[in-house]
Amino acid sequence: GQQLNQSPQSMFIQEGEDVSMNCTSSSIFNTWLWYKQDPGEGPVLLIALYKAGELTSNGRLTAQFGITRKDSFLNISASIPSDVGIYFCASGGYQKVTFGTGTKLQVIP
Amino acid sequence: DAGVTQSPTHLIKTRGQQVTLRCSPKSGHDTVSWYQQALGQGPQFIFQYYEEEERQRGNFPDRFSGHQFPNYSSELNVNALLLGDSALYLCASSLRGTDLETQYFGPGTRLLVL
Repeated sequence: GQQLNQSPQSMFIQEGEDVSMNCTSSSIFNTWLWYKQDPGEGPVLLIALYKAGELTSNGRLTAQFGITRKDSFLNISASIPSDVGIYFCASGGYQKVTFGTGTKLQVIP
Repeated sequence: DAGVTQSPTHLIKTRGQQVTLRCSPKSGHDTVSWYQQALGQGPQFIFQYYEEEERQRGNFPDRFSGHQFPNYSSELNVNALLLGDSALYLCASSLRGTDLETQYFGPGTRLLVL
């Protein structure tokens, strides 16, 4: 089946630093999604990408849909404590979403 | 708008028992999908219901079954529980024919099988 591999698996950063994480696949996708999940909660959509090469921002978050359509990255600028959580890349069709392995982010105040 | 709601929030069962989890979709949504999220992993798609029928199914055994009611709410049933069924079960709702970004997730039901 489809697999989405994320890296790094986890990261500790200082408050105020920028963060970059990425997601790769052996398959081509037409959609890339980035979610954040807080403890005890369901995933919340951060950014959706629908076109190869597309670069989209949402506040301090920026995500890009790779040209090869097999990868995507998410950047967070000037991190703050509430950025703590697990970030998932995802893709799919017909409202069935396949999730990546996740990147756990810890922010040190 | 209450968003997607799930009940119960937590549940403890023993091996071999059966469990039913419930989901109410976001207002205006007609499609419900269920996901299983084991500890430390990403959610895995179980199945999706639309117009009271199962439309898509992931790689899960027949012990996992579901139902959708005329008001679009849904149930997930798991029979003959195994220890490995311990997980967070997420429900997501959406409107058929719309993009993936319209799918909203509920807070989940955490199931522990002893």
